[in-house]
Amino acid sequence: LAKTTQPISMDSYEGQEVNITCSHNNIATNDYITWYQQFPSQGPRFIIQGYKTKVTNEVASLFIPADRKSSTLSLPRVSLSDTAVYYCLLGDDKIIFGKGTRLHILP
Amino acid sequence: DAGVTQSPTHLIKTRGQQVTLRCSPKSGHDTVSWYQQALGQGPQFIFQYYEEEERQRGNFPDRFSGHQFPNYSSELNVNALLLGDSALYLCASSFRDRAYNSPLHFGNGTRLTVT
Repeated sequence: LAKTTQPISMDSYEGQEVNITCSHNNIATNDYITWYQQFPSQGPRFIIQGYKTKVTNEVASLFIPADRKSSTLSLPRVSLSDTAVYYCLLGDDKIIFGKGTRLHILP
Repeated sequence: DAGVTQSPTHLIKTRGQQVTLRCSPKSGHDTVSWYQQALGQGPQFIFQYYEEEERQRGNFPDRFSGHQFPNYSSELNVNALLLGDSALYLCASSFRDRAYNSPLHFGNGTRLTVT
């Protein structure tokens, strides 16, 4: 069983900010939170990783509250090319993927 | 700097046959994990290799086996193929560091079709 819970799907419009939240109530002390993006017929691609508070890179931000039982991936000003499946994962041993969140960006 | 490369990209096999898929990890990575992804599903963990040994295994039968070579490249072997083995097989590499969780770098997979 996946250790995380995400919404199955989300729709948004071009130019909007999109926030995808992941629940992980049983996160282990040494688990980092990692987000991946996957397009059809391609392997998942690393987006961002964090342990606590806030992490930002050139494509996204990751917000992690103090209790670390959830995390939120923030995609600023999305475009049609951001339509993909997004996965939230924990740790680095025997990494278990859930079903992910299917994000559909509308024009 | 080459990322993760997998071969072949596509493969068609008949039920009962055997198949070998290959993976070269990203430069500097020493750990290889294999995943099976059916259409519309998330990747399912098969196993992970580090230091030429299987370290972790998911819920897959013994028909699925693997190998890691001294140069860190890896093979996935599937025997007695079933129709249900048709899927995208993904290889991911990472660097084993106990201090933090090394992100996975994926190849674009091998599309296996069993007829």
